Amino acid sequence: GESVGLHLPTLSVQEGDNSIINCAYSNSASDYFIWYKQESGKGPQFIIDIRSNMDKRQGQRVTVLLNKTVKHLSLQIAATQPGDSAVYFCAERQSGGSNYKLTFGKGTLLTVNP
Amino acid sequence: EAGVAQSPRYKIIEKRQSVAFWCNPISGHATLYWYQQILGQGPKLLIQFQNNGVVDDSQLPKDRFSAERLKGVDSTLKIQPAKLEDSAVYLCASSLDRGEKLFFGSGTQLSVL
Repeated sequence: GESVGLHLPTLSVQEGDNSIINCAYSNSASDYFIWYKQESGKGPQFIIDIRSNMDKRQGQRVTVLLNKTVKHLSLQIAATQPGDSAVYFCAERQSGGSNYKLTFGKGTLLTVNP
Repeated sequence: EAGVAQSPRYKIIEKRQSVAFWCNPISGHATLYWYQQILGQGPKLLIQFQNNGVVDDSQLPKDRFSAERLKGVDSTLKIQPAKLEDSAVYLCASSLDRGEKLFFGSGTQLSVL
């Protein structure tokens, strides 16, 4: 079964608020994590990534936090805008052998209300 | 920099017919992936190439699906014969490093009737 999952399937926020999207993973051997944004009819778009030797990484308006103790990953979006409305996926890389397989979770639908 | 190109954008076929999808990855990306995304779910890896060699096809239904990456650049994914449950978006992605920062194409939406 899936080793990457999400706590909330949907999230609705007001424009200008901060959004937090959560993700749980079960494979302690995963060494790399990544967040994607997918708009309707489009392929997933890279947002931000983080390696397992880090706890936090910041990008433009986004921050990813990694808590290896409880196997939890979160994506924070500051000052959420209507254009942020999309499905957000977390993915983990399970390294080992000759392949580095990226496994996706089920996604969270973020809706930003104007 | 050009992104990952996929064609066709949409395809409608009847069950038991065959279909093929084409992907052109980002120039210089050695790793190429085909994912299947069923409506409401996250993408599921079907096959992963490193240059023109297969490194993971553990979730590819090999009795009906096949893929190749000739010359380590373009790739095709074929389904023969198609089943109703194959209705999904087929996403191609490429990356410079294995399993890191994948760039996705827009996908091919397949409907099997």
